[in-house]
Amino acid sequence: NAGVTQTPKFQVLKTGQSMTLQCAQDMNHNSMYWYRQDPGMGLRLIYYSASEGTTDKGEVPNGYNVSRLNKREFSLRLESAAPSQTSVYFCASTDFSGPPPYEQYFGPGTRLTVT
Amino acid sequence: GNSVTQMEGPVTLSEEAFLTINCTYTATGYPSLFWYVQYPGEGLQLLLKATKADDKGSNKGFEATYRKETTSFHLEKGSVQVSDSAVYFCAPSPQGAQKLVFGQGTRLTINP
Repeated sequence: NAGVTQTPKFQVLKTGQSMTLQCAQDMNHNSMYWYRQDPGMGLRLIYYSASEGTTDKGEVPNGYNVSRLNKREFSLRLESAAPSQTSVYFCASTDFSGPPPYEQYFGPGTRLTVT
Repeated sequence: GNSVTQMEGPVTLSEEAFLTINCTYTATGYPSLFWYVQYPGEGLQLLLKATKADDKGSNKGFEATYRKETTSFHLEKGSVQVSDSAVYFCAPSPQGAQKLVFGQGTRLTINP
């Protein structure tokens, strides 16, 4: 099992450009998440998808859109990148079908710089 | 609301020193509690977890006990190694919520 995979690993954008960050998991998990990590601020939830076909806003959704393409894939789109979106982005997944605790499994991250 | 307060970093220790990283939380209901670790250049991985009061999670020599009365989940290790250098995150998962709440992280550096 590859676990959670993310592409690309690194990306540099100019202000106003758009891009999509891809995430896939092969663990048959029903829930998936997008976080951003900024220095001194821990991880903040951008969007999550509790199950295929549903998405919900997290703590910092402005400037982002998501698509739960199928059970495996959950993409994050920046329509018009801004320097404030310079960050490291992590995708995670978990399975709520059994009893707690519900461990989240994380991808290796995408380091995005917006100039 | 749900929140986590972690010990401020960075923390620098010598090899074989005793480690404590404090974590207190406020969370809805009866949360599950997690510690995650992030090694340089990598994603987060689960270090240990606990689901009910007085449960002790342990892994790789690290331990944390679920203290409901003090809403705390402090991370401890008796003798740290250089390879323990990483960022550590405390993360409760509120009861009934399909989310984790992350602390700001504590950067730990162990010197030989």
